[in-house]
Amino acid sequence: GDSVTQMEGPVTLSEEAFLTINCTYTATGYPSLFWYVQYPGEGLQLLLKATKADDKGSNKGFEATYRKETTSFHLEKGSVQVSDSAVYFCALRGLTGGGNKLTFGTGTQLKVEL
Amino acid sequence: DVKVTQSSRYLVKRTGEKVFLECVQDMDHENMFWYRQDPGLGLRLIYFSYDVKMKEKGDIPEGYSVSREKKERFSLILESASTNQTSMYLCASSYGIGYTFGSGTRLTVV
Repeated sequence: GDSVTQMEGPVTLSEEAFLTINCTYTATGYPSLFWYVQYPGEGLQLLLKATKADDKGSNKGFEATYRKETTSFHLEKGSVQVSDSAVYFCALRGLTGGGNKLTFGTGTQLKVEL
Repeated sequence: DVKVTQSSRYLVKRTGEKVFLECVQDMDHENMFWYRQDPGLGLRLIYFSYDVKMKEKGDIPEGYSVSREKKERFSLILESASTNQTSMYLCASSYGIGYTFGSGTRLTVV
């Protein structure tokens, strides 16, 4: 079945540091890929998405490129801020199954310090 | 703005109680979902529904049931709560590619 693997956290960075959170997936065909963010005490919000190979999703300074050859969708940001502290989830929507189900990774907690 | 509302942020229930978690969306979405979120395990799908009165089991349906009598409301039912069901429960709805999540209900079973 479909699965998503992302790096374990917590990841602790200083403000203005470069961020990479790795995400790889297993799925048949060409799934759609997503990054969701969860701020403390809140539900998940869509951060960015990509629906086909070589697509780049971007939002709020975050980027991720859909790499079919490496089955990856790594999240990057050039300069993180304290306000980026949150849990980040990689997810995919596969081609099988009904109802547009999403399969999530285990989440990576990011802590950004001054 | 679209909204998914979960009726309670925090709940404490006793072992063996029947528990209802309610979720309402105002977007006329056909698809609705219940996930539980646990540290180190991410989000796991319990049940989903793609239409009124329709339901499908997710990855971990044991110990849970659901009800969808109206399009906007999707209820998760714990028939007899147990301590291993202590968790954060997240409801979501979708139309097409995007999901909208509620703020979650943190359930503690004692």
